[in-house]
Order: sequence, then C-alpha cells, then structure tokens
Amino acid sequence: QVTLRESGPALVKPTQTLTLTCTFSGFSLSSSGRCVSWIRQPPGKALEWLARIDWDDAKYYSTSLKTRLTISKDTSKNQVVLTMTNMDPVDTATYYCARNDPGGSWFDPWGQGTLVTVSS
Amino acid sequence: QSVLTQPPSASGTPGQRLTISCSGSNSNIGYNPVNWYQQLPGAAPKLLMYSNNQRPSGVPDRFSGSKSGTSASLAISGLQSEDEADYYCAAWDDSLNGMVFGGGTKLTVL
Repeated sequence: QVTLRESGPALVKPTQTLTLTCTFSGFSLSSSGRCVSWIRQPPGKALEWLARIDWDDAKYYSTSLKTRLTISKDTSKNQVVLTMTNMDPVDTATYYCARNDPGGSWFDPWGQGTLVTVSS
Repeated sequence: QSVLTQPPSASGTPGQRLTISCSGSNSNIGYNPVNWYQQLPGAAPKLLMYSNNQRPSGVPDRFSGSKSGTSASLAISGLQSEDEADYYCAAWDDSLNGMVFGGGTKLTVL
C-alpha cells in the first residue's frame, strides 16, 4: 500500500523560509520512473502544482515560483523535502505531496495535506 | 487565472447525466493526456480519471472521460448525492515544463 504524509510547521512568519517534508512508504524513489510532486491549495481556491523530483534527481518547478522553491530527496529515508523562501500571507495554503505515475503525468495517491498559515 | 479553463460550477439532479469541460491549448491538452481529480469536502484530491479516459480501480463506470483537440470532458451518468465535490482537470504543459490545473468545478447535486 502506497502512503504519503506531509509534515512541517503550521505557522510561519512573513519573509521566513518554509521547509516541508513528505515521508512516503510502499515505493522507492530510486526505482526507475518514479517521481514525487508537491501541490498546494489556498483556502477555497484551486490546486496549484509546485515542483516535482524524479528518481534520477531531475527536478521541475512551477515557472511562477521557481526562484523561491527547492526540492530534494533522501531515498534512504523515503523522504522528499520542499523549501520555499520569502513566505508571504498569499502562500497560506494546504500543501500536498503526491506520487506521480512513472511517466510523470498523474498524481496517485495524495497525502492528506498540511495547512500552512503565513502570519506575523 | 488557471491555464486550463473549467466552468466554476455545475449542478444536476439524481440520476441525471452531466458533463464538465476543460479547455486548454496545444502546449498542454493538445499533445498531453488529461487527468481528472475529485475532491470531496474537507478531503485531499483523489485521482478519478487518467490518460484521458482510463478509470483507476474502484472508480465507478458512471464516470467517463474524453478528449478532442485542446479540450477534454468528464461525464458523470446516473448522478448521485455522493458525487457532490470539486472536480479538477490537469495536464502537463510543454511550454511551461510543468503540470497545470484547471480552476476546478464545484458540482452540486440538487
């Protein structure tokens, strides 16, 4: 059974750096074709894809957020980490991680999500 | 403003057939498969349809997907109250080199 779980701070201050960890089980990110993505959803708004990391360490970022995002993996711990710099109240959202299919197309399954609020 | 365009809302009565549209461009839907997600109230999204018209295990055959050119559709037949949810389309965008989502469609079963 494949599961993913997000963890990180529930509250960050403006200008701070957010670090989120996705801990997964049921698959290995060192297996050929495997990828993990981060997606966020502001309250009452649509989903927004943020970043993806592949089994071979290829990385893809949202064009609009690329300068603020860094994605990395620790295959020995079955973890993917996302950092987002210079946090702003508009970054308040539920952040999800999800496993991609081997082609990187769809997300299945998703983690339960973690709500991050940006406020002073 | 989402890259893929969906109607913000849709509604139907139990038993009815309903479709949700998703419009894009050649850089996304035109050359890449479309996937659909269902998000029940208060829950994480769930994969509902992949590769335009493939249902994951466990998804009822009341749900079907199609794609033509730069547009895609999700059809729900025999609408049920449990189908009340937000529905999102998504596809890879070759120009942006990233995944793009639609703005979501809130389905209400009257």
